[in-house]
Amino acid sequence: DGGITQSPKYLFRKEGQNVTLSCEQNLNHDAMYWYRQDPGQGLRLIYYSQIVNDFQKGDIAEGYSVSREKKESFPLTVTSAQKNPTAFYLCASGTGLLQETQYFGPGTRLLVL
Amino acid sequence: GQNIDQPTEMTATEGAIVQINCTYQTSGFNGLFWYQQHAGEAPTFLSYNVLDGLEEKGRFSSFLSRSKGYSYLLLKELQMKDSASYLCAVRDGSNYQLIWGAGTKLIIKP
Repeated sequence: DGGITQSPKYLFRKEGQNVTLSCEQNLNHDAMYWYRQDPGQGLRLIYYSQIVNDFQKGDIAEGYSVSREKKESFPLTVTSAQKNPTAFYLCASGTGLLQETQYFGPGTRLLVL
Repeated sequence: GQNIDQPTEMTATEGAIVQINCTYQTSGFNGLFWYQQHAGEAPTFLSYNVLDGLEEKGRFSSFLSRSKGYSYLLLKELQMKDSASYLCAVRDGSNYQLIWGAGTKLIIKP
């Protein structure tokens, strides 16, 4: 089955701790995205990557970091610098072409202990 | 500034028709998307409009007027499983990223 997987489904972070959220896709998509979803707000773009070994900051990149070493994988690290990390994190992928449609993984809910 | 407006919540009856509106003000336009999101789950793609007019796909239709900065999603023959949030997103004309509305929570009553 082709699709996007995210793990874990739930993640708990302690104060001062970095945590990494996994995102893998087997759709052969060039572009991958990380969004944050908070209640009552639209999805906000954290980082995106249109090609391996390259990525750009989105609207709310502070306190986050990413890597894109493989086409299939785009992990997101939530660092201790992110003071309000509690949210639902969604990974998406697309062809990277102008008319692309983005397809989403099941999401990771991050909670702070 | 860039802004997308949708009603926060709507209620409809099973078997009826409901129209969810979306208005947008963006620096450019390269298409409008509708997604469905059930609580705690990922958004799933419903429709894409880039030209004016109506796109029909089964029980769901989406309309776009670029001159008015307006779109709607029309859901017919409502079923209980249609209870979800519906997200409107516009592709920005400058950097081609998606700008998202806050979503409309649709509640279906028997």
